[in-house]
Amino acid sequence: DTGVSQDPRHKITKRGQNVTFRCDPISEHNRLYWYRQTLGQGPEFLTYFQNEAQLEKSRLLSDRFSAERPKGSFSTLEIQRTEQGDSAMYLCASRSGLANTGELFFGEGSRLTVL
Amino acid sequence: KNEVEQSPQNLTAQEGEFITINCSYSVGISALHWLQQHPGGGIVSLFMLSSGKKKHGRLIATINIQEKHSSLHITASHPRDSAVYICAPNPTGSARQLTFGSGTQLTVLP
Repeated sequence: DTGVSQDPRHKITKRGQNVTFRCDPISEHNRLYWYRQTLGQGPEFLTYFQNEAQLEKSRLLSDRFSAERPKGSFSTLEIQRTEQGDSAMYLCASRSGLANTGELFFGEGSRLTVL
Repeated sequence: KNEVEQSPQNLTAQEGEFITINCSYSVGISALHWLQQHPGGGIVSLFMLSSGKKKHGRLIATINIQEKHSSLHITASHPRDSAVYICAPNPTGSARQLTFGSGTQLTVLP
């Protein structure tokens, strides 16, 4: 098991461009989470999938943000028309089991810099 | 008001010292995670606990559900323990997400 992997690890883009991040969770994990983390702060919840269903979205997830998990395996997080305030680390995590149980496994994160 | 408060925010210790990081939260929880984050971003789950105490190597985590408080202890600290330690309660009312503290930056000097 290779753990949770995220790609790309770093992305630098100009304001207004679209970016897409990919997360490959641990294969048997049915629950997948996206978080955003800015410098000096803890992660903030963005969205959550159980299998392919997106069950919850944070108010932080504006209409420029969209996430998918089409086959219940990997997930993508797309940010359209990026703004400088989108610069952050985007973290993906996965776990198995019931809603509030199961150890959470994080990826290394995708760091976005919007110029 | 933050739902999760960690203290201290920053901690510098000498190698070998006993370290304690505290976490207080205001919501009812089903479990609480302690996470470790190294420079570069990767987060590792250290503990998930819902009662009592857990130990893994030099790390010990305790939780008091009634007092809504948890502590992470590091015995015989080492420079490689330098990282950000994050407390993340799993609220009972929110079946799907964690609430994260802002983290404690620990630096262990040789």
